[in-house]
Amino acid sequence: AQSVSQHNHHVILSEAASLELGCNYSYGGTVNLFWYVQYPGQHLQLLLKYFSGDPLVKGIKGFEAEFIKSKFSFNLRKPSVQWSDTAEYFCAVKGTSGTYKYIFGTGTRLKVLA
Amino acid sequence: DAGVTQSPTHLIKTRGQQVTLRCSPISGHKSVSWYQQVLGQGPQFIFQYYEKEERGRGNFPDRFSARQFPNYSSELNVNALLLGDSALYLCASSLSGMPPYEQYFGPGTRLTVT
Repeated sequence: AQSVSQHNHHVILSEAASLELGCNYSYGGTVNLFWYVQYPGQHLQLLLKYFSGDPLVKGIKGFEAEFIKSKFSFNLRKPSVQWSDTAEYFCAVKGTSGTYKYIFGTGTRLKVLA
Repeated sequence: DAGVTQSPTHLIKTRGQQVTLRCSPISGHKSVSWYQQVLGQGPQFIFQYYEKEERGRGNFPDRFSARQFPNYSSELNVNALLLGDSALYLCASSLSGMPPYEQYFGPGTRLTVT
């Protein structure tokens, strides 16, 4: 079955700490991969995306993610988090053919302490 | 440019009633998708429409239906509401039904069924 797993449901970090959020997917085919962020009181915003090419993709606000095909993973990283990064982060996968739906993970709530 | 807009923002309905939610995509976007986000979970795909045609349907009962209008706006209808339909309903628009399928989300409609 197609699915996305986000291993960390809640993460608490201090400012300047490094961040890595795990995302693994199960999908029988080539995929597009996304990370979305939802800041408190705001709607889902695209953080970064992978379609093809360089497996290391850079997004907004200093975030990056690495697609490791052999591990079916697309982990999100940031070297130094800020208080303003407090938000919920969702990983999503979409097959590249024969489907139009995005499959989302359950999300990771990140709290950054000032 | 205006983003994806949804109306109403909040809605309270009684079990058995019917509800209609509305979505206006970003100007120039021809594809609209609907998602249901239950508290504590990621968004779940309900429908995608492109050029007024249904392109995809998720695992939701026939009580859920949608349509897209010539101006690319969309409505999601839910009949015979159940308590379990209480959720945030998200609309997302994308430029077309072709790759890349980058979606932009609206703020959602919070539906409460009592």
